[in-house]
Amino acid sequence: KAGVTQTPRYLIKTRGQQVTLSCSPISGHRSVSWYQQTPGQGLQFLFEYFSETQRNKGNFPGRFSGRQFSNSRSEMNVSTLELGDSALYLCASSLGGLVQYEQYFGPGTRLTVT
Amino acid sequence: DAKTTQPNSMESNEEEPVHLPCNHSTISGTDYIHWYRQLPSQGPEYVIHGLTSNVNNRMASLAIAEDRKSSTLILHRATLRDAAVYYCILRDNTDKLIFGTGTRLQVFP
Repeated sequence: KAGVTQTPRYLIKTRGQQVTLSCSPISGHRSVSWYQQTPGQGLQFLFEYFSETQRNKGNFPGRFSGRQFSNSRSEMNVSTLELGDSALYLCASSLGGLVQYEQYFGPGTRLTVT
Repeated sequence: DAKTTQPNSMESNEEEPVHLPCNHSTISGTDYIHWYRQLPSQGPEYVIHGLTSNVNNRMASLAIAEDRKSSTLILHRATLRDAAVYYCILRDNTDKLIFGTGTRLQVFP
């Protein structure tokens, strides 16, 4: 079974631009979560989507948004990029629901904002 | 969100057992205890989880204190591949994982 894939793996953007990151979950998984990892703040939860609906949201500004498609694939968008948005963005998928299923993480997208 | 406290770093020799502690004194009755680890240059990887009873799987064992205010992840025989940052996470009934700073485990040959 293929794992979680994220594209692109590396990205360089300029301040003020916007960026869209993509995540393809493991086949059959309906929940997709996004995390930001920086040296200073560590791993922080951004949001989670389940069956095309945002189910949980972390403490990030409205510049960070996401969506999930009917095939469970998910995209994350960051508008008006700031230098502090430079980070590794990780996507994780799970079967979802109320059972404590484990989450499977992708390799991440390394975003650099200059 | 309930918080966890872990030592910043620990060391072990290869093939020795490793006990990674985690304190979670504010755990609620419905919080599950999850452990993930992150190897260098990779995304986090699920290790094990439990609610009240001790748990075993092919990777590790999880020992949970009777009052659930602390737990210990046990790697029975550390290998070089086990060198990673280990995160102890309290999870409610959602798919939201709140990561702390974790414990960096070094394994020496």
